[in-house]
Amino acid sequence: EVQLVESGGGLVQPGGSLRLSCVASGFTFSSYAMHWVRQAPGKGLEYVSTISSNGDSTYYANSVKGRFTISRDSSKNTLYLQMGSLRTEDMAVYYCAREKEYSASGTYFDYWGQGILVTVSS
Amino acid sequence: DIQLTQSPSFLSASVGDRITITCRASQGIRSYLAWYQQKSGKAPKVLIYGASTLQSGVPSRFSGRGSGTEFTLTISSLQPEDFATYYCQQLNIYPLTFGGGTKVEIK
Repeated sequence: EVQLVESGGGLVQPGGSLRLSCVASGFTFSSYAMHWVRQAPGKGLEYVSTISSNGDSTYYANSVKGRFTISRDSSKNTLYLQMGSLRTEDMAVYYCAREKEYSASGTYFDYWGQGILVTVSS
Repeated sequence: DIQLTQSPSFLSASVGDRITITCRASQGIRSYLAWYQQKSGKAPKVLIYGASTLQSGVPSRFSGRGSGTEFTLTISSLQPEDFATYYCQQLNIYPLTFGGGTKVEIK
């Protein structure tokens, strides 16, 4: 059974840093690109970041570029999101998600974690 | 960035109704669009990918159409468990983006 379990959330002051983790199980982690998506309280889904299956390629939303870093450790089956210079607008539930390929260039998010809350407040 | 505009943002309907949600992209995204359902406090769940392919296990009352810039999600006969928020997502080009969501509530 595929499982994605996020951790590392909590309360942080504006300007602070936090590292989220997402532990994967039930599949060959190193074969899949992975993503982070967030959802501010009462708002819609917002794409955050992507890392390719081998870690060579990364992508970011403009809103987090230069402040967040996505990485992965396949020996630990773990995806990370290092968040820095946090702002109140970064407060959200953060989800990790697995990418499924259905064609040469067609993908979608087939499994999601349960989400972890990050609160940015003084 | 590609903007996805969903309409309506809110929809009130009854059990048994047929409903359609539209997602318009600010530029062509071929058929690289997915639809997700999210219930309160839960992670999103994929319904449709590739604009029109039903994810395994998803009831056949859900269907998707479209390509280029205009897409639709249709629920042919709304069931009590379908009351939720629905999002479209483009996976054609980075940064990936989501629509603003459509909340479907019971009339």
